[in-house]
Amino acid sequence: SQQGEEDPQALSIQEGENATMNCSYKTSINNLQWYRQNSGRGLVHLILIRSNEREKHSGRLRVTLDTSKKSSSLLITASRAADTASYFCATGKANAGGTSYGKLTFGQGTILTVHP
Amino acid sequence: EAQVTQNPRYLITVTGKKLTVTCSQNMNHEYMSWYRQDPGLGLRQIYYSMNVEVTDKGDVPEGYKVSRKEKRNFPLILESPSPNQTSLYFCASSLWGGQTSTDTQYFGPGTRLTVL
Repeated sequence: SQQGEEDPQALSIQEGENATMNCSYKTSINNLQWYRQNSGRGLVHLILIRSNEREKHSGRLRVTLDTSKKSSSLLITASRAADTASYFCATGKANAGGTSYGKLTFGQGTILTVHP
Repeated sequence: EAQVTQNPRYLITVTGKKLTVTCSQNMNHEYMSWYRQDPGLGLRQIYYSMNVEVTDKGDVPEGYKVSRKEKRNFPLILESPSPNQTSLYFCASSLWGGQTSTDTQYFGPGTRLTVL
């Protein structure tokens, strides 16, 4: 299986509910990032959490990271129809001078549908 | 406005006909990268560049070429396209590699390529 696998593959909820997406990875990382993609468009960076952080908040987003379990979760609270999109986690490993510098490895994504 | 632009946005071509997809950023970023996105496979990195004249292979470089003669431009070249290169392509840039909260990757709008 691939680095940065999201779970579930698809999630359908009602407006106002919370949405939780999970990401698992296999190798050591320096950071984990979450991106959002509206249908067929470019990705937009949402939040980055470093490997020495456990939780991070940004507006209605809450990200947790458990390096012992090699997993992360993205929680979107009080979801809105406009949150409908695909969400990707990406693991980063910045090794200065190495070929892996600046490399992000993306998962397959979770498709979130929020019904009005 | 800070942005990454790609051209063309849509392209239908035939097997073996050389093509170039252009990518340009106006943020004076050092790092640029190309990804392809396929259903069920997420985003996979094709090539990246840390600076002018410095490029390196990503996870799926076969069948592609890149060049970085100027900081702002990072064209993707398909010398002899084949049907398995039909995909959605994204260019991205970041200041140093997109590995911190203050340095994240910015994505272009995507190029949908069909090779018949």
